[in-house]
Amino acid sequence: NAGVTQTPKFRILKIGQSMTLQCTQDMNHNYMYWYRQDPGMGLKLIYYSVGAGITDKGEVPNGYNVSRSTTEDFPLRLELAAPSQTSVYFCASSYRDGYEQYFGPGTRLTVT
Amino acid sequence: SQELEQSPQSLIVQEGKNLTINCTSSKTLYGLYWYKQKYGEGLIFLMMLQKGGEEKSHEKITAKLDEKKQQSSLHITASQPSHAGIYLCGADETGSARQLTFGSGTQLTVLP
Repeated sequence: NAGVTQTPKFRILKIGQSMTLQCTQDMNHNYMYWYRQDPGMGLKLIYYSVGAGITDKGEVPNGYNVSRSTTEDFPLRLELAAPSQTSVYFCASSYRDGYEQYFGPGTRLTVT
Repeated sequence: SQELEQSPQSLIVQEGKNLTINCTSSKTLYGLYWYKQKYGEGLIFLMMLQKGGEEKSHEKITAKLDEKKQQSSLHITASQPSHAGIYLCGADETGSARQLTFGSGTQLTVLP
């Protein structure tokens, strides 16, 4: 199993540009999550999904959108990128409630 | 979201020494998750604690959750360079583990 994979690993965006961060898991997990990690800070939950077709906001959803059309994929869309969105983005998945989350390697995004 | 305090923020120890990292919440927790992160990589799950007074060990790492379920400690015995990294605690305050609150992390350096 590859686990949780994310692409790209690095990206530089100009202010106002858009992009999609890709996340795929091959563990048949129902639950998937997107976090951002700012320097010296813990992870903040952006969005999560409990199954295909179901998504919900986390702590910091503004400026982002998600979709979940399949069990495996959970892309994160940034519209009109802003410098405040410069961060490291992690995707994670878990079997169900109360189970540990498995994390991808992260995408390092810089918006200038 | 609740406050989750991790201490110390950074720790430098000589190889072979024991060390402890603490994670304290202002609220009673449903679960406490410990993760390890290496620079530029995703989080690796270490242990999950759910019951007051619970203690789990894996190799040289032991994690405990106090009886009140508000404080957890991670203890490493006879530290090795391979233990170096950032240790993060994640707290489940809702019972669903969907929206974990993470501490800001403890940067551990082990000197050979």
